[in-house]
Amino acid sequence: QVQLVQSGAEVKKPGSSVKVSCKASGGPFSSYAMSWVRQAPGQGLEWIGGIIPIFHKPRYAQKFQGRLTITADESTSTAYMELRSLRSEDTAVYYCARDRDSLVHHFAMDVWGQGTTVTVSS
Amino acid sequence: DIQMTQSPSSLSASVGDRVTITCRASQGIGNFLGWFQQKPDKAPRSLIYDASSLQSGVPSRFSGSGSGTEFTLTISSLEPEDFATYYCLQHDSYPPTFGQGTKVEIK
Repeated sequence: QVQLVQSGAEVKKPGSSVKVSCKASGGPFSSYAMSWVRQAPGQGLEWIGGIIPIFHKPRYAQKFQGRLTITADESTSTAYMELRSLRSEDTAVYYCARDRDSLVHHFAMDVWGQGTTVTVSS
Repeated sequence: DIQMTQSPSSLSASVGDRVTITCRASQGIGNFLGWFQQKPDKAPRSLIYDASSLQSGVPSRFSGSGSGTEFTLTISSLEPEDFATYYCLQHDSYPPTFGQGTKVEIK
């Protein structure tokens, strides 16, 4: 049974950066798409980007282009999401989520991390 | 970006009720649609993918239908554990976009 464990909560100043990790265990990692989804307080879900580790070619939502970097370390089965130039609107819970099918972004994410709260505040 | 509009935004229902949630896309998306359930302070859970395929481990009282621009999620007989917020997600084109959510509350 695949499990995703994310790094702990972060409090950041506006203008700084945050890097959240998502470590997979109990199953294959490299060939399965990993998406990052965020949820601002009291709001809905927003897909921000994703990667299939074996291909090393991340996809980003346009609104995050230039501020967001998603990477994956196959040797440790860990995906990373780094968001730069943080602003208060980036305050949210950030989830990693693994797709059910290998080698494609199918967006049928059947395994989710527990979420990482990122708070941006001066 | 493709806009996904869910209706209703919230509903009140009783255990045993049949519940239907609708999701409309701003343009045709084929069957590239999924449904997710989220309980407070928990990660979302995938229920349906490809508009009508049941995710492994999901009870058969959940079903999905539709194609093109209009989709429905149906819960045939509401159970106490089904009170939650439900989201649709289109992935026909980038970026994938979620509906705004439908909160199912206890009547």
